[in-house]
Amino acid sequence: QVQLQESGPGLVKASETLSLICDVSGDSIDNYYYAWIRQAPGKGLEWIAYIYYSGTNINPSLKSRVSASVDRSKKHFSLTLFSVTSADTAVYYCAARHSPNHRGPLVFWGQGTLVAVSS
Amino acid sequence: QSVLTQPPSVSGAPGQRVTISCTGSSSNIGATYDVHWYQQLPGTAPKLLIYGDSNRPSGVPDRFSGSKSGTSASLAITGLQVDDEADYYCQSYDSSLSGWVFGGGTKLTVL
Repeated sequence: QVQLQESGPGLVKASETLSLICDVSGDSIDNYYYAWIRQAPGKGLEWIAYIYYSGTNINPSLKSRVSASVDRSKKHFSLTLFSVTSADTAVYYCAARHSPNHRGPLVFWGQGTLVAVSS
Repeated sequence: QSVLTQPPSVSGAPGQRVTISCTGSSSNIGATYDVHWYQQLPGTAPKLLIYGDSNRPSGVPDRFSGSKSGTSASLAITGLQVDDEADYYCQSYDSSLSGWVFGGGTKLTVL
Protein backbone atom coordinates (compact mmCIF):
# COMPACT_ATOMS: atom_id res chain seq x y z
CA GLN A 1 0.00 0.00 0.00
CA VAL A 2 1.06 3.59 -0.46
CA GLN A 3 3.15 5.51 2.04
CA LEU A 4 3.12 9.28 2.26
CA GLN A 5 5.76 11.54 3.74
CA GLU A 6 5.42 15.29 4.00
CA SER A 7 8.38 17.62 4.01
CA GLY A 8 8.59 21.34 4.42
CA PRO A 9 10.43 24.28 6.00
CA GLY A 10 9.03 24.07 9.52
CA LEU A 11 9.13 27.86 9.89
CA VAL A 12 7.97 30.50 7.43
CA LYS A 13 7.89 34.27 7.80
CA ALA A 14 4.60 36.08 7.50
CA SER A 15 3.76 37.28 3.97
CA GLU A 16 6.11 34.72 2.44
CA THR A 17 5.31 31.54 0.51
CA LEU A 18 4.99 28.07 2.02
CA SER A 19 5.94 25.11 -0.13
CA LEU A 20 5.31 21.52 0.95
CA ILE A 21 6.05 18.22 -0.72
CA CYS A 22 4.40 14.88 -0.15
CA ASP A 23 6.56 11.99 -1.31
CA VAL A 24 4.64 8.95 -2.50
CA SER A 25 6.14 5.47 -2.18
CA GLY A 26 5.11 1.86 -1.91
CA ASP A 27 2.80 1.90 -4.92
CA SER A 28 2.30 3.66 -8.22
CA ILE A 29 1.50 7.34 -7.80
CA ASP A 30 -1.09 6.88 -10.53
CA ASN A 31 -3.22 4.58 -8.41
CA TYR A 32 -4.41 7.31 -6.05
CA TYR A 33 -5.89 10.75 -5.79
CA TYR A 34 -4.30 13.15 -3.36
CA ALA A 35 -5.31 15.80 -0.88
CA TRP A 36 -3.89 18.31 1.57
CA ILE A 37 -5.51 18.70 4.98
CA ARG A 38 -4.35 20.92 7.80
CA GLN A 39 -4.96 21.19 11.51
CA ALA A 40 -4.24 24.35 13.48
CA PRO A 41 -2.98 23.79 17.04
CA GLY A 42 -5.81 22.49 19.19
CA LYS A 43 -8.30 22.78 16.33
CA GLY A 44 -10.11 20.49 13.92
CA LEU A 45 -9.35 19.32 10.41
CA GLU A 46 -9.58 21.66 7.44
CA TRP A 47 -9.30 20.56 3.83
CA ILE A 48 -7.05 22.65 1.64
CA ALA A 49 -7.11 20.99 -1.76
CA TYR A 50 -7.75 17.68 -3.44
CA ILE A 51 -7.24 16.11 -6.82
CA TYR A 52 -10.19 14.47 -8.50
CA TYR A 53 -10.79 12.92 -11.91
CA SER A 54 -11.10 16.17 -13.81
CA GLY A 55 -8.94 18.58 -11.89
CA THR A 56 -8.08 20.10 -8.55
CA ASN A 57 -10.57 21.42 -6.04
CA ILE A 58 -9.36 24.08 -3.62
CA ASN A 59 -11.09 25.25 -0.48
CA PRO A 60 -12.86 28.49 -1.45
CA SER A 61 -11.55 30.18 1.69
CA LEU A 62 -7.99 29.59 0.46
CA LYS A 63 -8.47 29.57 -3.28
CA SER A 64 -6.68 32.83 -4.01
CA ARG A 65 -3.56 31.67 -2.17
CA VAL A 66 -3.24 27.96 -2.94
CA SER A 67 -1.72 25.92 -5.70
CA ALA A 68 -1.56 22.12 -5.66
CA SER A 69 -0.27 19.66 -8.20
CA VAL A 70 1.03 16.15 -8.77
CA ASP A 71 4.46 15.58 -10.30
CA ARG A 72 4.36 11.98 -11.46
CA SER A 73 7.97 11.93 -12.64
CA LYS A 74 9.13 12.93 -9.15
CA LYS A 75 6.48 10.83 -7.44
CA HIS A 76 5.26 13.64 -5.26
CA PHE A 77 2.29 15.87 -4.58
CA SER A 78 2.98 19.50 -3.79
CA LEU A 79 1.28 22.40 -2.07
CA THR A 80 2.10 26.08 -2.36
CA LEU A 81 0.46 28.60 -0.04
CA PHE A 82 1.12 32.25 -0.78
CA SER A 83 1.15 35.24 1.58
CA VAL A 84 1.02 33.23 4.78
CA THR A 85 -0.15 34.67 8.09
CA SER A 86 -0.16 33.36 11.63
CA ALA A 87 -3.54 31.77 10.86
CA ASP A 88 -1.71 29.35 8.57
CA THR A 89 0.27 27.87 11.45
CA ALA A 90 -0.79 24.23 11.49
CA VAL A 91 0.16 20.63 11.00
CA TYR A 92 -0.17 19.91 7.29
CA TYR A 93 -1.15 16.40 6.22
CA CYS A 94 -1.13 14.87 2.79
CA ALA A 95 -3.58 12.06 2.22
CA ALA A 96 -4.50 9.66 -0.56
CA ARG A 97 -7.71 8.01 -1.66
CA HIS A 98 -8.78 5.51 -4.27
CA SER A 99 -11.85 7.32 -5.51
CA PRO A 100 -11.55 9.75 -8.41
CA ASN A 101 -14.67 11.68 -7.48
CA HIS A 102 -15.62 13.95 -4.60
CA ARG A 103 -17.03 11.18 -2.46
CA GLY A 104 -14.16 8.87 -1.60
CA PRO A 105 -12.65 8.73 1.88
CA LEU A 106 -9.08 9.61 2.77
CA VAL A 107 -7.63 6.15 3.20
CA PHE A 108 -3.94 6.85 3.65
CA TRP A 109 -2.36 9.69 5.58
CA GLY A 110 1.13 11.01 6.02
CA GLN A 111 2.42 11.66 9.53
CA GLY A 112 2.03 15.41 9.08
CA THR A 113 4.49 18.27 9.16
CA LEU A 114 4.24 21.24 11.50
CA VAL A 115 4.55 24.64 9.90
CA ALA A 116 4.82 27.73 12.06
CA VAL A 117 4.46 31.23 10.69
CA SER A 118 6.57 33.88 12.39
CA SER A 119 5.90 37.59 12.34
CA GLN B 1 -18.28 27.16 13.07
CA SER B 2 -18.13 23.85 11.20
CA VAL B 3 -20.66 22.94 8.54
CA LEU B 4 -21.05 19.54 10.18
CA THR B 5 -21.88 19.76 13.88
CA GLN B 6 -20.45 17.32 16.38
CA PRO B 7 -20.60 17.39 20.18
CA PRO B 8 -17.27 18.69 21.53
CA SER B 9 -16.93 15.78 23.91
CA VAL B 10 -18.44 12.48 24.95
CA SER B 11 -17.41 10.06 27.66
CA GLY B 12 -18.09 6.55 28.84
CA ALA B 13 -16.78 3.86 31.11
CA PRO B 14 -14.85 0.86 29.82
CA GLY B 15 -17.20 -1.67 28.29
CA GLN B 16 -19.98 0.83 27.70
CA ARG B 17 -21.44 2.09 24.42
CA VAL B 18 -21.21 5.67 23.21
CA THR B 19 -22.47 7.44 20.13
CA ILE B 20 -21.15 10.53 18.39
CA SER B 21 -23.51 12.51 16.22
CA CYS B 22 -22.71 14.49 13.11
CA THR B 23 -25.45 16.86 12.02
CA GLY B 24 -25.44 18.43 8.60
CA SER B 25 -27.96 19.80 6.13
CA SER B 26 -29.71 19.18 2.83
CA SER B 27 -26.61 20.18 0.88
CA ASN B 28 -24.33 17.58 2.42
CA ILE B 29 -25.46 14.58 4.49
CA GLY B 30 -29.11 15.13 3.52
CA ALA B 31 -28.13 15.11 -0.14
CA THR B 32 -26.97 11.49 0.33
CA TYR B 33 -23.30 12.31 0.07
CA ASP B 34 -21.21 9.71 1.85
CA VAL B 35 -20.13 10.29 5.42
CA HIS B 36 -16.71 9.14 6.58
CA TRP B 37 -15.35 8.98 10.09
CA TYR B 38 -11.75 9.38 11.23
CA GLN B 39 -10.09 8.58 14.52
CA GLN B 40 -7.18 10.73 15.65
CA LEU B 41 -5.21 9.35 18.55
CA PRO B 42 -3.21 11.93 20.52
CA GLY B 43 -0.23 13.21 18.58
CA THR B 44 -0.92 11.15 15.49
CA ALA B 45 -2.42 11.57 12.05
CA PRO B 46 -6.10 10.82 11.51
CA LYS B 47 -7.01 7.26 10.55
CA LEU B 48 -10.00 6.20 8.47
CA LEU B 49 -12.49 4.46 10.74
CA ILE B 50 -15.75 4.28 8.76
CA TYR B 51 -16.34 5.05 5.10
CA GLY B 52 -19.45 5.34 2.97
CA ASP B 53 -21.68 5.90 6.02
CA SER B 54 -21.32 2.45 7.53
CA ASN B 55 -18.41 0.48 6.08
CA ARG B 56 -15.35 -0.53 8.07
CA PRO B 57 -11.92 -0.70 6.45
CA SER B 58 -10.01 -3.90 6.96
CA GLY B 59 -8.56 -4.03 10.45
CA VAL B 60 -11.11 -1.80 12.15
CA PRO B 61 -12.88 -3.75 14.92
CA ASP B 62 -16.60 -4.33 14.58
CA ARG B 63 -17.02 -2.43 17.85
CA PHE B 64 -17.10 0.63 15.60
CA SER B 65 -20.18 1.19 13.44
CA GLY B 66 -21.67 4.02 11.44
CA SER B 67 -25.17 4.95 10.39
CA LYS B 68 -26.95 7.77 8.64
CA SER B 69 -30.49 9.07 8.60
CA GLY B 70 -31.77 12.23 6.99
CA THR B 71 -29.33 15.05 7.60
CA SER B 72 -27.41 13.31 10.39
CA ALA B 73 -24.91 10.53 10.81
CA SER B 74 -23.71 8.69 13.89
CA LEU B 75 -20.69 6.76 15.00
CA ALA B 76 -21.26 4.12 17.65
CA ILE B 77 -18.54 2.51 19.70
CA THR B 78 -19.39 -0.51 21.82
CA GLY B 79 -17.27 -2.24 24.42
CA LEU B 80 -15.32 0.95 25.11
CA GLN B 81 -11.62 0.51 25.70
CA VAL B 82 -9.09 2.94 27.15
CA ASP B 83 -7.28 2.88 23.80
CA ASP B 84 -10.37 4.38 22.15
CA GLU B 85 -9.60 7.73 23.76
CA ALA B 86 -9.15 10.00 20.75
CA ASP B 87 -10.70 12.73 18.69
CA TYR B 88 -13.27 11.64 16.13
CA TYR B 89 -14.18 13.58 13.00
CA CYS B 90 -16.93 13.16 10.44
CA GLN B 91 -16.48 14.28 6.85
CA SER B 92 -18.71 14.64 3.81
CA TYR B 93 -19.12 16.64 0.63
CA ASP B 94 -21.21 19.80 0.39
CA SER B 95 -22.80 20.78 -2.91
CA SER B 96 -23.38 24.40 -1.90
CA LEU B 97 -19.74 24.86 -0.98
CA SER B 98 -18.55 22.58 -3.79
CA GLY B 99 -16.09 20.93 -1.49
CA TRP B 100 -15.47 18.76 1.48
CA VAL B 101 -16.70 19.55 4.96
CA PHE B 102 -15.46 18.25 8.28
CA GLY B 103 -17.14 18.18 11.63
CA GLY B 104 -15.47 20.11 14.41
CA GLY B 105 -14.38 16.91 16.11
CA THR B 106 -15.46 15.07 19.25
CA LYS B 107 -13.10 14.18 22.05
CA LEU B 108 -13.88 10.78 23.54
CA THR B 109 -12.85 10.22 27.12
CA VAL B 110 -12.93 6.73 28.58
CA LEU B 111 -13.46 7.19 32.29
